[in-house]
Amino acid sequence: AQKVTQAQTEISVVEKEDVTLDCVYETRDTTYYLFWYKQPPSGELVFLIRRNSFDEQNEISGRYSWNFQKSTSSFNFTITASQVVDSAVYFCALSDQAGTALIFGKGTTLSVSS
Amino acid sequence: ETGVTQTPRHLVMGMTNKKSLKCEQHLGHNAMYWYKQSAKKPLELMFVYNFKEQTENNSVPSRFSPECPNSSHLFLHLHTLQPEDSALYLCASSQNRDSGRIYEQYFGPGTRLTVT
Repeated sequence: AQKVTQAQTEISVVEKEDVTLDCVYETRDTTYYLFWYKQPPSGELVFLIRRNSFDEQNEISGRYSWNFQKSTSSFNFTITASQVVDSAVYFCALSDQAGTALIFGKGTTLSVSS
Repeated sequence: ETGVTQTPRHLVMGMTNKKSLKCEQHLGHNAMYWYKQSAKKPLELMFVYNFKEQTENNSVPSRFSPECPNSSHLFLHLHTLQPEDSALYLCASSQNRDSGRIYEQYFGPGTRLTVT
């Protein structure tokens, strides 16, 4: 069975701190896809990144970076120099090769104070 | 125009009412999805449409009835709902799934439904 675990329910940081959101997944598929989404208070989920299981290169996009490690089944997300606008719920999700559905974690609520 | 729109944004209905949620995507996608987001629970996939054909019904009660008249529009018809159906209902769309490639889903802002 597929499963996504985001063990951190809530994280609070002060602006300019770096913060890492953890994501651990379980799947028996050899081909799968991992995603991160951001859900600000407005409610709309915003797509951040997609990574397939054959691409273990880490990725950096501005203040965001992602660390994918198949050996530990983890796909962690780091925000560098956090800002108040980063406050949101962040979801990690997993899709199998068929792409039938996205399996979401329960989300991590990030609060950044000034 | 924003990619995926949903109306209404908020809806309060009694258990005997019939209402419909509407979703429209302007991204040229061919797959559309309904999700339910309840407090303290992960997002739950409800229905999937690919090229207007329903390909997934994730054990959803019959009081929820989806309709996809074309690849740009998706409806969720509601009748005789229960208070536990109160939740945020999110619509999403993606490019159709072709072999070997899965595309990310783009979400609308959701409809906040309260059943009284």
